[in-house]
Amino acid sequence: KNQVEQSPQSLIILEGKNCTLQCNYTVSPFSNLRWYKQDTGRGPVSLTIMTFSENTKSNGRYTATLDADTKQSSLHITASQLSDSASYICVVSAAGNAGNMLTFGGGTRLMVKP
Amino acid sequence: NAGVTQTPKFQVLKTGQSMTLQCAQDMNHNSMYWYRQDPGMGLRLIYYSASEGTTDKGEVPNGYNVSRLNKREFSLRLESAAPSQTSVYFCASSEDGARVYGYTFGSGTRLTVV
Repeated sequence: KNQVEQSPQSLIILEGKNCTLQCNYTVSPFSNLRWYKQDTGRGPVSLTIMTFSENTKSNGRYTATLDADTKQSSLHITASQLSDSASYICVVSAAGNAGNMLTFGGGTRLMVKP
Repeated sequence: NAGVTQTPKFQVLKTGQSMTLQCAQDMNHNSMYWYRQDPGMGLRLIYYSASEGTTDKGEVPNGYNVSRLNKREFSLRLESAAPSQTSVYFCASSEDGARVYGYTFGSGTRLTVV
């Protein structure tokens, strides 16, 4: 069964600090991996997408890494801001043509405090 | 640019009542999806529609029905609501089955069944 595990479940950091969120997956065959940001009361919004051949991808202060050999990804947030407080969801897509090829992680809830 | 619009945003039902959650997208996407999100769990696919005129079951379809009314609209119906269906429901759409372009999510419907 395809699975995506995220850690930690929750995290509190001070404004201006960096943090790293982890994602381990057992999805096969692998197509791509996305990180989504979900603000409270809103739907998830895509931050980055990474395919098998990509190791690192940045989107502003967000940097995602992918190790396809160990099936791990991380999302690093630099110089955190209060607006980074949200849930971050790792989503792995399996290769195939069906519409149900995505597996969602449970998310990491990040709180940035002043 | 509305994106994906869900109605209602909040709903309280009594056990056994029925209701329909509405979803509409204005991006001319072919694929549409209904997910539920429960605390500590990843989003789980209820039903999806790969294209107008087709619908398929996802991971947790029991107790739900869907209608792809046209290319823009995809509704989710609870015929006889149960407390286990208390959740936040998200509609999403994608251009290609989400593998490349990802999803655009609506803002969610928070449903409580008492």
